Amino acid sequence: DIVLTQSPATLSLSPGERATLSCRASQSISNYLGWFQQKPGQAPRLLIYDASNRATGIPARFSGSGSGTDFTLTISSLEPEDFAVYYCQQRSNWPLTFGGGTKVEIK
Amino acid sequence: EVQLLESGGGLVQPGGSLRLSCAASGFTFSSYALSWFRQAPGKGLEWVSGISGNGGFTPYADSVKGRFTISRDNSKNTLYLEMSSLRADDTAVYYCAKDFYYSWYIDWGQGTLVTVSS
Repeated sequence: DIVLTQSPATLSLSPGERATLSCRASQSISNYLGWFQQKPGQAPRLLIYDASNRATGIPARFSGSGSGTDFTLTISSLEPEDFAVYYCQQRSNWPLTFGGGTKVEIK
Repeated sequence: EVQLLESGGGLVQPGGSLRLSCAASGFTFSSYALSWFRQAPGKGLEWVSGISGNGGFTPYADSVKGRFTISRDNSKNTLYLEMSSLRADDTAVYYCAKDFYYSWYIDWGQGTLVTVSS
């Protein structure tokens, strides 16, 4: 199975700051990497698919990059509603797998 | 508007069985692959199983292979997950989700809680 390792586990930032989240795959997954946001008590929300494509309705402050084994989710300027847990997920191989998550918390 | 509504969760004893359902609306059900995901309390996300639009392709996570069975009834717009030999580590919120593009899931239900405990 492909293992996804996210870092850091927790990111403490203030509104307006830039957030940079990392996801590393245990083997090359081309660009088949996505990012989800999840808030307490809610279902996950797809933000980015195939490394850099924003899903419908996702604000432009969210961007994704990377290919092969190293990927990044960037939130250019944190809004209050962006404080949440973020997961990366790969679709290169079955089974689909997720990273362990990065919590973006208010500093 | 796509709607996915899970049901069937509850408390079950270890070794027991449960069937989850996911009633779908707002799209042409038979045209889309669907999956079940789960999230144990306080833990991360885990993909459980998926099914193609015609039901002919059904991959499973190793953790549930041989114990869970995914199926769909395209005449009823409903997805199912038959769970047997349940263990404490199957305790989780189970979500159904709809594929929109090559195993990317953009539409999710609200989830149903399964608790395996004596």
